Amino acid sequence: DTEVTQTPKHLVMGMTNKKSLKCEQHMGHRAMYWYKQKAKKPPELMFVYSYEKLSINESVPSRFSPECPNSSLLNLHLHALQPEDSALYLCASSPTSGSLREQFFGPGTRLTVL
Amino acid sequence: QKEVEQNSGPLSVPEGAIASLNCTYSDRVSQSFFWYRQYSGKSPELIMSIYSNGDKEDGRFTAQLNKASQYVSLLIRDSQPSDSATYLCAVMRGNQFYFGTGTSLTVIP
Repeated sequence: DTEVTQTPKHLVMGMTNKKSLKCEQHMGHRAMYWYKQKAKKPPELMFVYSYEKLSINESVPSRFSPECPNSSLLNLHLHALQPEDSALYLCASSPTSGSLREQFFGPGTRLTVL
Repeated sequence: QKEVEQNSGPLSVPEGAIASLNCTYSDRVSQSFFWYRQYSGKSPELIMSIYSNGDKEDGRFTAQLNKASQYVSLLIRDSQPSDSATYLCAVMRGNQFYFGTGTSLTVIP
């Protein structure tokens, strides 16, 4: 099973709302990632968790708050977002060992900030 | 210099032809290399991965890696209209994946 699941598929929120994006994988991967993707651009790395600890934060604004409750789950908490934060938010996971550490993406959450 | 560079295209090939997609990377310590296919509005789908020099074939897809030249390519044989998508090259180094900007491929029936 190479499936990463994400909920919700679509999210519309106002600038004062608080919402959360969820990601789950059952491949035993110990690295999980959040990416942001704008139209016609490549995925842009936001956060990396390795063994449930935040290992990379690519200078993401504090209105985005990641959380990794356990090795299978990854959340992204959203608060006071701006319209320019509207994008496709992708979760991914990969193994942390081996020569070929393939990264698999979930289907994404399409976020619209009004 | 960007970590990963791709020709953005668009690349158009007739149905049944070979599509050739190219990617160069800047850091010699890069470990593994990946090709993703992304349809409009969808998430990237892993189609090929390679970490040793040479060719790796999977069905109609062949990935070629030349670490000395820091070059990785993807060949798609017998191209089909369903292959029309953006192809992202990705390079893994340490705990991070670096993506190229993608090449848009159109297969003309």
